[in-house]
Amino acid sequence: EDKVVQSPLSLVVHEGDTVTLNCSYEVTNFRSLLWYKQEKKAPTFLFMLTSSGIEKKSGRLSSILDKKELFSILNITATQTGDSAVYLCAVDWSNQGGKLIFGQGTELSVKP
Amino acid sequence: EAQVTQNPRYLITVTGKKLTVTCSQNMNHEYMSWYRQDPGLGLRQIYYSMNVEVTDKGDVPEGYKVSRKEKRNFPLILESPSPNQTSLYFCASSQDTDYGYTFGSGTRLTVV
Repeated sequence: EDKVVQSPLSLVVHEGDTVTLNCSYEVTNFRSLLWYKQEKKAPTFLFMLTSSGIEKKSGRLSSILDKKELFSILNITATQTGDSAVYLCAVDWSNQGGKLIFGQGTELSVKP
Repeated sequence: EAQVTQNPRYLITVTGKKLTVTCSQNMNHEYMSWYRQDPGLGLRQIYYSMNVEVTDKGDVPEGYKVSRKEKRNFPLILESPSPNQTSLYFCASSQDTDYGYTFGSGTRLTVV
């Protein structure tokens, strides 16, 4: 069965901490892995990864993919209260693109 | 403004009464998709479309229909809604799946 598993499911940290969110997957036809942030509304796109070992970076957020071990991590450094959200990992597993399976999400809470 | 527009935002209906949730995007995107989001189950894909007249099932297509007669619109049709279709629905579009999806604001549907 194709699946995407995120861990931990929830996490509470204090401002300034660094966090690592995990996403592992088992799919029959991997095309890409995507990370989204959801804050009580629609998810917003963070990163798309297709190649192993190439880090994507945006400000304090970064992500990397390991296609051999079938996982990705999302790092957030120097966390702020505005980083509090649910972080979603999704895998596109279709030949032509568009067929996505999402993980359950990691709920991150950043305390002042 | 580039956006994905869903209507209605909220809907309460009765079992068996056909309904349509509209989705429109103004970015000339080829890919469009529908998801439902339920507590504990995360986001699950209902249907997706790679272009006009090209659609395919996602993970949970039962009880739903879609059509893609023109590029900008991708309506979700519930022919005979049931209470287990009570959920938060998101429409999303993408120029190319390599760039991630832009999500609409969501439609909260309650079937009584």
